[in-house]
Amino acid sequence: GQQLNQSPQSMFIQEGEDVSMNCTSSSIFNTWLWYKQDPGEGPVLLIALYKAGELTSNGRLTAQFGITRKDSFLNISASIPSDVGIYFCAGQFGNEKLTFGTGTRLTIIP
Amino acid sequence: GAVVSQHPSRVICKSGTSVKIECRSLDFQATTMFWYRQFPKQSLMLMATSNEGSKATYEQGVEKDKFLINHASLTLSTLTVTSAHPEDSSFYICSAHRYNEQFFGPGTRLTVL
Repeated sequence: GQQLNQSPQSMFIQEGEDVSMNCTSSSIFNTWLWYKQDPGEGPVLLIALYKAGELTSNGRLTAQFGITRKDSFLNISASIPSDVGIYFCAGQFGNEKLTFGTGTRLTIIP
Repeated sequence: GAVVSQHPSRVICKSGTSVKIECRSLDFQATTMFWYRQFPKQSLMLMATSNEGSKATYEQGVEKDKFLINHASLTLSTLTVTSAHPEDSSFYICSAHRYNEQFFGPGTRLTVL
């Protein structure tokens, strides 16, 4: 099935640093979602975006719905140890199924 | 609210046997549930869409006779992996649909020996 391109594939950062990751698609979506998955668990929704250009925050997380509707960005400010995990974007068109990104694995170096 | 559970969380079985995985929406009703498969270090891949009271819709390349889905009630969908083989070993995750949002279960780790 189709997957969205997510970059970077992995990140190694120090605690306190800011994090940026993005997701691109060859087709448009009218909903972009960002999830976090901890090892051995299901994904948990972090932020949902419903409108092109929309910028939404959830605590230290900020995500944007790209103007072209083909991309989205997630930023995490002042990272903390519990931010470790895999972050997935997902796109949706209408009520259709979700298409997931390839994931960004975040590791925090002590 | 909007809690989805899966049972079992882990299962180990012998090659050739069948395994049933349950997905329950605990505090809401879901006419639509989804089944995903995730291999190590990979993303979630949709296997099928489970619709209450009707046949599941399978994604291209997913064998419907091997992965049997039953959505018998508004709070329960089951995935049965029939005649499991080592290549079926994976992390199976379900989600339940409510108000245009999908709520994910904690996943089931299947290991086929």
